[in-house]
Amino acid sequence: AQSVTQLDSQVPVFEEAPVELRCNYSSSVSVYLFWYVQYPNQGLQLLLKYLSGSTLVKGINGFEAEFNKSQTSFHLRKPSVHISDTAEYFCAVRTYNFNKFYFGSGTKLNVKP
Amino acid sequence: EAGVTQFPSHSVIEKGQTVTLRCDPISGHDNLYWYRRVMGKEIKFLLHFVKESKQDESGMPNNRFLAERTGGTYSTLKVQPAELEDSGVYFCASSQGPSDTIYFGEGSWLTVV
Repeated sequence: AQSVTQLDSQVPVFEEAPVELRCNYSSSVSVYLFWYVQYPNQGLQLLLKYLSGSTLVKGINGFEAEFNKSQTSFHLRKPSVHISDTAEYFCAVRTYNFNKFYFGSGTKLNVKP
Repeated sequence: EAGVTQFPSHSVIEKGQTVTLRCDPISGHDNLYWYRRVMGKEIKFLLHFVKESKQDESGMPNNRFLAERTGGTYSTLKVQPAELEDSGVYFCASSQGPSDTIYFGEGSWLTVV
């Protein structure tokens, strides 16, 4: 079975500051890892994904994440946030064969001016 | 090309009533998925169709929920009778193959009062 833990339900940060959203996962098999974002009143949008290869993955809007197999983590980072990054961010895993995702409970990023 | 479309985008119904949510996948996508997020918790898998067949319905919460995909095109998710705890966002997603890139719709927001 797979599970995902997002350690912070809310992260307040000032504009232009760096941010890290934490994600840890548990799985008995190898998985792919994802970060999705949901802007207010919108659907889920893929930020980035790790399938294989380099453990540092770059996504849209300046976000990046690093896969750490030994720590079973996939933390999301951005060096300088903007007001427009205010949204809820979801970490997710799925197995290789099927699009059955396991999501974390989400982290609300609130960027303040 | 149109993305995954869901209807209605928002609905408010009374406890005990019936609601039917509709999802139109991307044209040519045989695989269709329903997920939901209730009460600010994690997004959870409900079920997976391959064409008109239910591949995996392990996430369906109880028999008040009925999903169909007649003809292998659009899908409906009926909740009958609706309960307060059914309030949340219902996401539909589709992919061409079972492990291909998945695309999420914008969700149907359901409020049961």
